[in-house]
Amino acid sequence: TQLLEQSPQFLSIQEGENLTVYCNSSSVFSSLQWYRQEPGEGPVLLVTVVTGGEVKKLKRLTFQFGDARKDSSLHITAAQTGDTGLYLCAGGPGSARQLTFGSGTQLTVLP
Amino acid sequence: DTEVTQTPKHLVMGMTNKKSLKCEQHMGHRAMYWYKQKAKKPPELMFVYSYEKLSINESVPSRFSPECPNSSLLNLHLHALQPEDSALYLCASSQLRIHTDTQYFGPGTRLTVL
Repeated sequence: TQLLEQSPQFLSIQEGENLTVYCNSSSVFSSLQWYRQEPGEGPVLLVTVVTGGEVKKLKRLTFQFGDARKDSSLHITAAQTGDTGLYLCAGGPGSARQLTFGSGTQLTVLP
Repeated sequence: DTEVTQTPKHLVMGMTNKKSLKCEQHMGHRAMYWYKQKAKKPPELMFVYSYEKLSINESVPSRFSPECPNSSLLNLHLHALQPEDSALYLCASSQLRIHTDTQYFGPGTRLTVL
């Protein structure tokens, strides 16, 4: 069984601060997705990383896939209140095309 | 276009009611999924359809009955639900690529069982 440990579980910061969310596993994943979800809405795909060591940037968000494809991180620079939400990492595909989800990071950015 | 649509947005039903959730995608994806999500928790997989055939049933109670009428549509029929079934129900789809099979989620149906 593949497991993804995501940390921290909760994060509350002031607008303008930087933060990093981590996703770690003892298993190798073919790809890893990061999603952001707002209350009552579905997860919205932010990025898919597939190559070990890959770094992708999406405006103020930087995503990194570990060299061994067992871990990933999401770094947000100068957080804004609009970044508030539940951040989910998901590794896949596992057996039978199932995604393995991390436990999620609830981010609150205060004005 | 990476849109997955779901209807209804909200649903309130009694324990004796029968209702259905609907999901649609027009991206040509060959896999469709149903997930159940409780507040501030990750989604939990319920069912997977691959090429319109049920390929995974994660030991879901029979009061949930999935249906895939065609490659673009996915339904979830609900009957005799319990209050603990109240949750956000998410539909997703993917291309079924071997190594980079990204799932795209719909906005969800917020279900409340009274």
